Amino acid sequence: AQSVTQLGSHVSVSEGALVLLRCNYSSSVPPYLFWYVQYPNQGLQLLLKYTSAATLVKGINGFEAEFKKSETSFHLTKPSAHMSDAAEYFCAVSDREGRDDKIIFGKGTRLHILP
Amino acid sequence: GAGVSQSPRYKVAKRGQDVALRCDPISGHVSLFWYQQALGQGPEFLTYFQNEAQLDKSGLPSDRFFAERPEGSVSTLKIQRTQQEDSAVYLCASSLVTGTGGNNYGYTFGSGTRLTVV
Repeated sequence: AQSVTQLGSHVSVSEGALVLLRCNYSSSVPPYLFWYVQYPNQGLQLLLKYTSAATLVKGINGFEAEFKKSETSFHLTKPSAHMSDAAEYFCAVSDREGRDDKIIFGKGTRLHILP
Repeated sequence: GAGVSQSPRYKVAKRGQDVALRCDPISGHVSLFWYQQALGQGPEFLTYFQNEAQLDKSGLPSDRFFAERPEGSVSTLKIQRTQQEDSAVYLCASSLVTGTGGNNYGYTFGSGTRLTVV
């Protein structure tokens, strides 16, 4: 069964610094991978997705992620953090072995931006 | 509507009370998912509909949980005899297409219903 593991439940970076949120996946088939962001009291918003095309995926708000099969990783990065990036981030994998393609989420990483 | 609408936004229930949570997906969307998100956790899959057919209910935690989508549009998640461990945010998501196409196209999530059982 597919799963994802997010390393670090809380990450703090200074405004303007590099953001790196780590995600490792487990999948017996080529995975579809996602990063979602959740602002307080809001639903989940898709940041970016990997669906077996280019391994470097660019998303919204300046975020990008690189699919590395050899490392089974899909880390999320942003060169320069903004205060508005403070939120909860979820890595997710699509359950492609089932027929409903449900998304399986990690436990999340809360990103704190320090002024 | 423009997005996935969930109601109510907040619900406080006394233990043992029945509750019904509503999801209005984007018009024409075929796939509909329900997720449960406990405090400080990632969303956990509950159930999936393709039009009116409930194709996967493997994530429903007990027989107190029941979901329906009788006309293939609006869906209701019902929880009978609520318990404190049912306290969570319940998220609904919809997509225009099914299967792997759904993930190519993308799912739209609602803002959720926060259920507190006291």
